Amino acid sequence: IAGITQAPTSQILAAGRRMTLRCTQDMRHNAMYWYRQDLGLGLRLIHYSNTAGTTGKGEVPDGYSVSRANTDDFPLTLASAVPSQTSVYFCASSDDSRGYTFGSGTRLTVV
Amino acid sequence: QKEVEQDPGPLSVPEGAIVSLNCTYSNSAFQYFMWYRQYSRKGPELLMYTYSSGNKEDGRFTAQVDKSSKYISLFIRDSQPSDSATYLCAMSPTYNNNDMRFGAGTRLTVKP
Repeated sequence: IAGITQAPTSQILAAGRRMTLRCTQDMRHNAMYWYRQDLGLGLRLIHYSNTAGTTGKGEVPDGYSVSRANTDDFPLTLASAVPSQTSVYFCASSDDSRGYTFGSGTRLTVV
Repeated sequence: QKEVEQDPGPLSVPEGAIVSLNCTYSNSAFQYFMWYRQYSRKGPELLMYTYSSGNKEDGRFTAQVDKSSKYISLFIRDSQPSDSATYLCAMSPTYNNNDMRFGAGTRLTVKP
């Protein structure tokens, strides 16, 4: 089934640890995005990539980094996790302006 | 003030009711408007997409955009328990989705 695969589904992480959230798509979409979703705040863009080899900062990029080595993969790295990064993280992709395809999310708790 | 305001609800209606969900926004540059549906512990899925002003209908769903009032709506006719979900509005000023802004979502429950 075409779509976006995110891993892990959920994770409890000690503060200060490094973690990479994985995202893979099989739709050959050029653009990919990472969002975090917090109660009352909605979805906020962390980083994006319009095409393989390029990345950009979104609304809340601090503490996160991304890479886009190829079309299909767009990992998100937390270099040193802090409790305020506790959230649900969604990866998304798009091939035009007609909205996103989202993954099922990663629930991250930083303790 | 947030760029996109959406009443979080929760909204509870009986099966068969007409549901009206709304968002207001402050950025007059928004041109592309979307509604997403998100079931519990799932990712959002695109429900409706509209460019500029006007109405769009898809089955039981109708999306309306009033750019003069900076107001968008989603109507659900003959609501079903399976419509119970959180509905997110989203909008972007450009064809490129990098500037997409989301509302916080309205939680809807349709009771049988």
